[in-house]
Parts: sequence; C-alpha cells; structure tokens
Amino acid sequence: ETGVTQTPRHLVMGMTNKKSLKCEQHLGHNAMYWYKQSAKKPLELMFVYNFKEQTENNSVPSRFSPECPNSSHLFLHLHTLQPEDSALYLCASSLTPGQMNTEAFFGQGTRLTVV
Amino acid sequence: GEDVEQSLFLSVREGDSSVINCTYTDSSSTYLYWYKQEPGAGLQLLTYIFSNMDMKQDQRLTVLLNKKDKHLSLRIADTQTGDSAIYFCAEKVPPGTDKLIFGTGTRLQVFP
Repeated sequence: ETGVTQTPRHLVMGMTNKKSLKCEQHLGHNAMYWYKQSAKKPLELMFVYNFKEQTENNSVPSRFSPECPNSSHLFLHLHTLQPEDSALYLCASSLTPGQMNTEAFFGQGTRLTVV
Repeated sequence: GEDVEQSLFLSVREGDSSVINCTYTDSSSTYLYWYKQEPGAGLQLLTYIFSNMDMKQDQRLTVLLNKKDKHLSLRIADTQTGDSAIYFCAEKVPPGTDKLIFGTGTRLQVFP
C-alpha cells in the first residue's frame, strides 16, 4: 500500500472517447504530479499541482486536461487521444512543494491503451 | 540541459553484488534518488543522497556519488531474486522544486 491510489488500473479507449484517470492520496501531502511512462523512454513529468494550483505544465498537448479539486485528489481528463499516448500514467504526491528533500510517493499507475 | 542516463539491462547471479550506474548532466542537482519499480507497480523510493555526500549506506544498499564526474551508482549486496525490477535514477532540478528528472531505468534480472 503506497498511500497513493490510482483508478482505474487498466484502461482501453478509442480515439474518440473521453475518459478520466483518478488519483487520490490521504497522506496529507500538498503537491501532486502526473508522470507518463512510455516504453524505453524516461519518465516524463506532465503536470505539477501545489496546493491545488497548477505550477507546471511540461508542454503537454491539450487533449490531456488535469484537474485538482483539492490537495487529496487529482484527475487527468482524456479526449481524442492518439495511439502514441498509450503508456503507464503515474500519479505522485509529496508533502511540501519546493522543499529541498521532499520524498515523492507514487501510485501504481494506470495502464492506458488507445486503440 | 537536463539528462539522466542509465544502462538498460543488468543480469546477476543470486548472492552476488549488483552495481547499477547512472550519469546526469545538471550540476545544480541537490538530491539524487534511486527508485525501484516492480512489474505492474508504481515507483518505490529506495534511497537518496544529498549532493555534498560521497557515499550513503542503508542495509544492503550503498550509494556512491562522484559529483565531479556527475556519476551515481547503486550497489545491492547479496542480490536476491526479489530484487529483480527496474531501477530508476532521478535528480531533483532546479534546486528548491519537486521536479524529478528520471533516467530510462535499468532492468535488473537476478538468476539462481
């Protein structure tokens, strides 16, 4: 149990579908992140939220739309995705944004397949 | 720029030591991390080292940092089959943020 829970664990969607990924943490953390893990590529940071405010968007296409209603929940809304968007999407959280040593806790990820 | 590189694959016999290497380019890194990812799971933080340290030991894990060469290594003593996983090196840049730059990961295979 990592403390960061992602649902669903697996998702298959068509290119015209709209779906959402959910991430939840009850660790009392104030920062949450979305990462993308593609085969044979480094993990790519997508978005960072600190105290519910988006502080980083790493040039992510608009077909990925994050939402952070509170410090415990983070969503990634997906629409009109491409097959190359198939990947493992990892959510992470950390206690205090901007602190020198803040351990990031990761969820188990959502394996997304776009067909 | 920010770049972290690792070899893709390492195979060791059970009971031997494993050494996973990582090189990074950003000299402003303050913390460097090793994460472990088992099949079907997220990333688990194994250990970290502050940039003013040369070495850190935590049970079977030893982290060595050569800041001059921007080289980080993770040594696992008495490697077990349960250590089979992908190991990611990561650096935190720029200092004072939570942005982690990850390497591609090294797949460690432990055979009997």
